[in-house]
Amino acid sequence: DTEVTQTPKHLVMGMTNKKSLKCEQHMGHRAMYWYKQKAKKPPELMFVYSYEKLSINESVPSRFSPECPNSSLLNLHLHALQPEDSALYLCASSRGTSGQETQYFGPGTRLLVL
Amino acid sequence: AQSVAQPEDQVNVAEGNPLTVKCTYSVSGNPYLFWYVQYPNRGLQFLLKYITGDNLVKGSYGFEAEFNKSQTSFHLKKPSALVSDSALYFCAVRPYSSASKIIFGSGTRLSIRP
Repeated sequence: DTEVTQTPKHLVMGMTNKKSLKCEQHMGHRAMYWYKQKAKKPPELMFVYSYEKLSINESVPSRFSPECPNSSLLNLHLHALQPEDSALYLCASSRGTSGQETQYFGPGTRLLVL
Repeated sequence: AQSVAQPEDQVNVAEGNPLTVKCTYSVSGNPYLFWYVQYPNRGLQFLLKYITGDNLVKGSYGFEAEFNKSQTSFHLKKPSALVSDSALYFCAVRPYSSASKIIFGSGTRLSIRP
């Protein structure tokens, strides 16, 4: 089973709202990732968690706040977003962070900020 | 600088014909190379990877890729294209030196006509 699930599938929020994206995997993977993808562009790495600790933050604005409550769950808390933050947000996981490990992606949450 | 190039934005092939989607890379050290496919409004699906060993790698859905160290290429191939192969394809590399990060190419849209 190589499934990563993400909820919700779609999200529309205003610039003053607070919302959260959720990601879950039950593959025993110890590395989890958040990516942002604009239309027809490759995914851009936002955050990496390794063994539930934040290991990489790609200079993401503080209006995005990641959280890893346990080894199976990854959240992305959103607050005071801008319209340019509208994108597909992808979660991924891998067994570890070594280069040969495959990252498995969820279906994404399509976010629209009004 | 470490990078991945997909020189063709779009590749058009007739159903039943062989297809090739090109990828070249520039990294220091030994690379780990990956191909992903993305269908509309979906996450990325893993197709295949090269870690070490045999230069010809076989993956999902009848796809294969050939690692060519001298040409620093990792082209994706399929002997007989299907209409259902129409999607966006991303080549990616994980440099040995910064294994947590994955560098994606810009993507190639593959269109298979009946």
